[in-house]
Order: sequence, then structure tokens, then C-alpha cells
Amino acid sequence: EDQVTQSPEALRLQEGESSSLNCSYTVSGLRGLFWYRQDPGKGPEFLFTLYSAGEEKEKERLKATLTKKESFLHITAPKPEDSATYLCAVPTYNTDKLIFGTGTRLQVFP
Amino acid sequence: DGGITQSPKYLFRKEGQNVTLSCEQNLNHDAMYWYRQDPGQGLRLIYYSQIVNDFQKGDIAEGYSVSREKKESFPLTVTSAQKNPTAFYLCASSLQGKDGYTFGSGTRLTVV
Repeated sequence: EDQVTQSPEALRLQEGESSSLNCSYTVSGLRGLFWYRQDPGKGPEFLFTLYSAGEEKEKERLKATLTKKESFLHITAPKPEDSATYLCAVPTYNTDKLIFGTGTRLQVFP
Repeated sequence: DGGITQSPKYLFRKEGQNVTLSCEQNLNHDAMYWYRQDPGQGLRLIYYSQIVNDFQKGDIAEGYSVSREKKESFPLTVTSAQKNPTAFYLCASSLQGKDGYTFGSGTRLTVV
């Protein structure tokens, strides 16, 4: 069964304290892995797409990496405005339907 | 600017009522989706549509109905058969799986 698991559920960081969020997946024939940011009461905002193991993408303080079993979202020197829930998702086999993990709720304190 | 518009932002429903959530996109995307989000749970797929006049049930379709009469519009009706409708509803669209989905800003439905 296709599945996406994110850890940790919640993460509290001091401003400037770097860390990583994990997304492990089980899917037949990976056709992409997507990272989103979601602020409270809003829709998810697209961050990255990764298509193959070894691929990396960066945006400001965020860097996403992909292996054959998992993806990491690395946050370098985070700021309070990085506080949000981060979601990852993969398309199910042979369809465009995305299955989502339950997310990691990140809080960055000054 | 292109995007997805969901309305209303907040909706209150009395027991036994049907309510309809609106979702409109001007991105010229073929596929549209409805997800439900509950605290502590991932997004769960309700219905999706890949072309006009065609749609498929997702994982939790019971108590919901949709229509896709126009490419731009994919309204969701929450019927009285949905026993626990209080949730945050998200509409999304995609260009046949390229670069994931674009999401709307959501509708929070509360049963009163």
C-alpha cells in the first residue's frame, strides 16, 4: 500500500538552530515527491518537487533532498517566519492523486 | 493573476442541511481535487476530476457529492448524510500531475 510518513510530528527550534524534517515513503514507481508549507488556516503552498534519488533543491533557508526511501527538508538558521506545518506528498502508482503525510509542525522561537 | 478561489472562507451548517462549497480556478488546469483536513490527520481525498463531466470517488466520498460541468469549476456538496462534516476543506488543481497541486485557501465548515 502506498504510504507517506513524516517525522517528527512537531519540532521546536531556537532561531538559528538548524535541523531536518523527514519524509519516508512507500510507493511503486516514484514519479515525484512534493514538499508544501502550510500556515494556520490557509491552503498548502508549493515548495519543491524532487524526481530522482540524489536530487537536491534549495530555496532560501530550505533544502530538500531525496533518496530511494525518504526525503529530508533541511532548515538552515531558521527564523520565526519559517514557523509552519510542512507537508510532503507522493503520487499514487499510475495516477495523479497525491497522498500526503500528516506533516511536521515547526515552531521557531526568537 | 492565476489561481484557485474557494468560497466562502467560513461556513456554518445546521444539522440536516446540505451545503455547497465553491471552487473556481483560472489556471487552465485539467484536474481538480477536494481534500478534507482534520487536526492530527493528513489530507484525505474526497473526490477528484481529471476532465469535464467526469469525476471519481476518493478515499472518503461517503456523504459528499460533486459536479464538473465546466473546466474552471468543481463545487463540493456536503450532504446531510455526512455524519461528521466539521473540518477544513481544500480544493486543488493540477496540470495532469506536473509540479504537484495548486491549492485554494480553504473553507472551514462548522456544524452548529
